[in-house]
This record gives sequence, C-alpha cells and structure tokens, in this order.
Amino acid sequence: KAGVTQTPRYLIKTRGQQVTLSCSPISGHRSVSWYQQTPGQGLQFLFEYFSETQRNKGNFPGRFSGRQFSNSRSEMNVSTLELGDSALYLCASSLGGTPSGANVLTFGAGSRLTVL
Amino acid sequence: AQSVTQLGSHVSVSEGALVLLRCNYSSSVPPYLFWYVQYPNQGLQLLLKYTSAATLVKGINGFEAEFKKSETSFHLTKPSAHMSDAAEYFCAVTRGGTGFQKLVFGTGTRLLVSP
Repeated sequence: KAGVTQTPRYLIKTRGQQVTLSCSPISGHRSVSWYQQTPGQGLQFLFEYFSETQRNKGNFPGRFSGRQFSNSRSEMNVSTLELGDSALYLCASSLGGTPSGANVLTFGAGSRLTVL
Repeated sequence: AQSVTQLGSHVSVSEGALVLLRCNYSSSVPPYLFWYVQYPNQGLQLLLKYTSAATLVKGINGFEAEFKKSETSFHLTKPSAHMSDAAEYFCAVTRGGTGFQKLVFGTGTRLLVSP
C-alpha cells in the first residue's frame, strides 16, 4: 500500500512569507503528527491531529498551525517565515488507537524548507 | 517527562564488525521504545520497537535491541555491519495511556561504515 506522501519535497521562501505543507497519510490511518528536524534542535514535535481534532501541540509559536481534513489528509502552515524556520518538516501517520504510545509512526520523506 | 540519551553522535565501524549504538531512556512509567533509521534526504524508517512484550526485540536488516529496565537502556546491535547500514539512527521513547502520547527522540547517532 502507498506510504505517507508529503508535498512539496523542496521549497524556498523568503522571510516574511508563509508556507503550506501537505501530508497524505497511509490509507486507514487517522492520526497525523508533524515534526520539525534541524541540525541544532534535532527532531521536535509540532502537533498531532486525530479525526480532524488537534490532540496535542508542541512548544512552537502560534505562527505554526495545522489542520486535518475528513479524509485524514493534513496540512501545516507557517506564517511570517523566519530564517530559523529552515528545516526538514516530517509528517507521520498512525492508526491512532489506544494505547497511543504503542502505535507505530510511519514517516513521509519530508518537506525541506529553506528560508532566505 | 520522558527523554532518551544517545551516547556518541558518530560511531565508526569497519564492514563486518559489530555495530553497537547506545540509548538510555528516562521515564516515570513503563516506556515504549523505538529505533528509527534515516538515510540521506529521506524520512525515518522504523527498525524495531519495544512495547512491553519480549525484552529482546528483533528488527529489520538484522538489527536487534534489548530492553534492560535495571540499566534503563535500549541499545541497538547488529553482528556484522554492511556498507548499506551507513545512516543516522534515532532512539525514541513514548508511553502508553489514553489520548495522544508524543514520540520523544534522541539526538541521533550517525553510523559510518568503512570498507
């Protein structure tokens, strides 16, 4: 079956712009999580959505937002881009059942954002 | 709060040698532990997971890890390294329970394999 698909794979933006990244989960997966990966901070949790509801959010400013659609596809948006937002943004999907800790996250290839 | 510590940001081995990547965890409740691998310009791929069943966990590509509660460790091993094992490896921890439990990653260990 198809894996987690993230688009676009690469993009370049300038400071002050906004960006929207898309994630299509594995069919049947209802949970989508987003992570930011940078050389300095490593992998940091952004937020997670399950059945169109945000269940948890990491320690990121309000410029970072997301949503999930009824078909479980998810988007994340970053407004007023800063140089420090340059990163690989990874999306992961899982079944989302309980206990949620046992659910295996399947990651997409990521969207690499460069902010100039 | 849960956390993992990966000792050594870089580990170098020769092809055919034993691979040992270290991970220690901190958790106030029984943890679920994972090892993921990341190849250049790719996402993370699950190698193996511990979810309170057998303490010795076998994963893909010949990797295995042993959960040792007394040492709070979950080290990753492979008897014989291949060139194709060169990648970055991440240990991660989460916990059970209702609701969402985020996955907390270590800082990663880059494995270098020389011929």
